Amino acid sequence: GAVVSQHPSRVICKSGTSVKIECRSLDFQATTMFWYRQFPKKSLMLMATSNEGSKATYEQGVEKDKFLINHASLTLSTLTVTSAHPEDSSFYICSARGQGLSNQPQHFGDGTRLSIL
Amino acid sequence: RKEVEQDPGPFNVPEGATVAFNCTYSNSASQSFFWYRQDCRKEPKLLMSVYSSGNEDGRFTAQLNRASQYISLLIRDSKLSDSATYLCVVNMPNYGQNFVFGPGTRLSVLP
Repeated sequence: GAVVSQHPSRVICKSGTSVKIECRSLDFQATTMFWYRQFPKKSLMLMATSNEGSKATYEQGVEKDKFLINHASLTLSTLTVTSAHPEDSSFYICSARGQGLSNQPQHFGDGTRLSIL
Repeated sequence: RKEVEQDPGPFNVPEGATVAFNCTYSNSASQSFFWYRQDCRKEPKLLMSVYSSGNEDGRFTAQLNRASQYISLLIRDSKLSDSATYLCVVNMPNYGQNFVFGPGTRLSVLP
């Protein structure tokens, strides 16, 4: 069964809306979660690394004020796309790895397909 | 040089064919290697880990060559359901705890 749950799976909203996406690890504690974005027929692009209890680490070119990340507990990280615009439309995927298991594979959520009109 | 590189693809093969995917990585200190598959409009799913001695899971065989910094995935007797994008994933110590995904190679198995 799924070990990482992501919600919602689909969002369609108007330009200027802020959208929150949740990522939960279901049966393990994740000190680190990862947020990716993927455009159609393109590779996964890491946006940021979410660290429980501290600030997220953003990849170059990703605006931290645009993509707010909160990792308040060992099982939940949220990504908020603030004032979303059509160019933010994409497939957003989170992943997580168990605490202390730095060499274990990441498990992915189902992804969130975001469409901004 | 990119951190993780894969065959550009796409690969179009008939059912029953054997297909090989290649992946090279840049960091000689990398220790963990995986193959994921991603279906269209879905999240990546772990296919198999890659162990130093090579490992097999049914029709799938993964191999690692540390000296050449090269990983491979072989699929035998390919099925229509094998059609997907195959992603090579490597941990990169200089990236902290993160893993780096290759760009993927798309496979289409044709009837």
